[in-house]
Amino acid sequence: DQQVKQNSPSLSVQEGRISILNCDYTNSMFDYFLWYKKYPAEGPTFLISISSIKDKNEDGRFTVFLNKSAKHLSLHIVPSQPGDSAVYFCAAIFTGTASKLTFGTGTRLQVTL
Amino acid sequence: DTAVSQTPKYLVTQMGNDKSIKCEQNLGHDTMYWYKQDSKKFLKIMFSYNNKELIINETVPNRFSPKSPDKAHLNLHINSLELGDSAVYFCASSQDWGTGYEKLFFGSGTQLSVL
Repeated sequence: DQQVKQNSPSLSVQEGRISILNCDYTNSMFDYFLWYKKYPAEGPTFLISISSIKDKNEDGRFTVFLNKSAKHLSLHIVPSQPGDSAVYFCAAIFTGTASKLTFGTGTRLQVTL
Repeated sequence: DTAVSQTPKYLVTQMGNDKSIKCEQNLGHDTMYWYKQDSKKFLKIMFSYNNKELIINETVPNRFSPKSPDKAHLNLHINSLELGDSAVYFCASSQDWGTGYEKLFFGSGTQLSVL
């Protein structure tokens, strides 16, 4: 049962342009969402998060948008840089007891020169 | 100075063997986790410990046994290894648990290959 889905396994974007990574979820109990970034041979690192009480959160070049009615969130990277090339994981959690993160399968972003 | 370190990075072994993966965090976090990333790239939680107490135990075969000697360490022992155990195993830690703001710090992973 895949509760968090990232339907695009890969994305290629030119340097300087906007990268948009998408994530859908099915569990309406999820109320907190996170994005992690992973380079090869490294563990994922936290990038940005958003609570379900918000519809947008911005941190520098990274912005996450949440559409609760559509159960959809997206990560925007503007402008994209070659160092952004990595796998991006969307994750969701229900902030109840014994809470645990549910991850998507990731989207590989390639930023080209 | 690595925040979450796990060893070994690569582990190649035969079916039926017993192996351990070690994890240590120097962040002073209270909660540690083991995640498994399978061939389909799903990152799934296996176990979570908070202050040495087991708080999450997913549907994992009992051949997998976590051990937390102190809150800075969480080791994973696997008995009678099977081909399907081949995966990347990530250790992680977080400051908070139960508040829902699980910003995890991951180790670099252990690539386990069972032949």
